[in-house]
Amino acid sequence: LAKTTQPISMDSYEGQEVNITCSHNNIATNDYITWYQQFPSQGPRFIIQGYKTKVTNEVASLFIPADRKSSTLSLPRVSLSDTAVYYCLLSYGQNFVFGPGTRLSVLP
Amino acid sequence: GAGVSQTPSNKVTEKGKYVELRCDPISGHTALYWYRQSLGQGPEFLIYFQGTGAADDSGLPNDRFFAVRPEGSVSTLKIQRTERGDSAVYLCASSPPGGAATTDTQYFGPGTRLTVL
Repeated sequence: LAKTTQPISMDSYEGQEVNITCSHNNIATNDYITWYQQFPSQGPRFIIQGYKTKVTNEVASLFIPADRKSSTLSLPRVSLSDTAVYYCLLSYGQNFVFGPGTRLSVLP
Repeated sequence: GAGVSQTPSNKVTEKGKYVELRCDPISGHTALYWYRQSLGQGPEFLIYFQGTGAADDSGLPNDRFFAVRPEGSVSTLKIQRTERGDSAVYLCASSPPGGAATTDTQYFGPGTRLTVL
């Protein structure tokens, strides 16, 4: 079964770019990588999804190297409201493996 | 529109009791997922429905856990003979039709916090 690892926590300041990496050494050929944001007492909220190379939407970018053994979520110009826990999700067959989460604290 | 709703929001029960947790997915969503989230950890997959049938229940920890979705909409997660280790937040998510489970965006509810005393 695939396993994912993430840094436990990160600090940043308002206006900075934040990059959070998820490692997934055993990713399978057809797996997708999805990132979610979670605030206290709420369910996770979809941010971005990708398979390879780079994906960008209105809130984030996702970078996946050629070997796909890791992925990096990039949040441009974070604000205080981006303080949350960020999870990568590896879709492994019909199983779904979440990473342990990275707690991002954005400071003024 | 309305999102995924879960009831109750909180449930406190005693060890050995039976509990039911309900999930109302987004209208029209065919896929439904259950996860369990312990404090400080990522969600742990339990079971995935496509329509009325359980497409994958490999995440259910043991036979005390069971989930149904009889009409392809509302789902109920049932836990028999609850144990203190079952205490967690139980999350439900749903996805729209048309995609593969591995690529569908999952829309999560707020969860049910279960406490077993």
